Amino acid sequence: AQSVTQLGSHVSVSEGALVLLRCNYSSSVPPYLFWYVQYPNQGLQLLLKYTSAATLVKGINGFEAEFKKSETSFHLTKPSAHMSDAAEYFCAVTRSTGFQKLVFGTGTRLLVSP
Amino acid sequence: KAGVTQTPRYLIKTRGQQVTLSCSPISGHRSVSWYQQTPGQGLQFLFEYFSETQRNKGNFPGRFSGRQFSNSRSEMNVSTLELGDSALYLCASSDLAGGDPDTQYFGPGTRLTVL
Repeated sequence: AQSVTQLGSHVSVSEGALVLLRCNYSSSVPPYLFWYVQYPNQGLQLLLKYTSAATLVKGINGFEAEFKKSETSFHLTKPSAHMSDAAEYFCAVTRSTGFQKLVFGTGTRLLVSP
Repeated sequence: KAGVTQTPRYLIKTRGQQVTLSCSPISGHRSVSWYQQTPGQGLQFLFEYFSETQRNKGNFPGRFSGRQFSNSRSEMNVSTLELGDSALYLCASSDLAGGDPDTQYFGPGTRLTVL
């Protein structure tokens, strides 16, 4: 079975500060990992994905994540937070390419203060 | 291309009724997946359809069912509604036959409230 754990249901940062959202995974096979963002009253939007190529993955809106097998982690970072980054972020895992069943973490709400 | 569309956006039903939700995928996408999002259980996978066949199924009771039509549009049905079925139901489509099988594009969801 696969699972992801997101540490911290809420993370607060100031505008311009580093954003770090944590995700640890558990998988019996090499995982495919994703970060999605959800704005209020909207669906999910893919930020970035790891599909066994480069371990440092760059996504949209200045976000990136690094796959660390030794730590079973896939943390999401952004060097400088913007007010528009305030949203809920979900880490997800699946077991192979094209396998559409995503297992999501519980989400982290990012709050950005001026 | 137009994005994933879901209808209706909001729905109110009473216990015991049934409901049908609709999802139109991005043009050319033949895979459609459904997820339920609740404050208590988070995001959970319901099922996936590809070329009118159910490929994967989550751990939901048989009251939850779905289907896909030849134009890739999908519907999900929930019979004998319970209060706990109140949720945001999200549909996602992907281009399994194309060059990006790992990206799911989500619709805005249907907010179902069961009274």
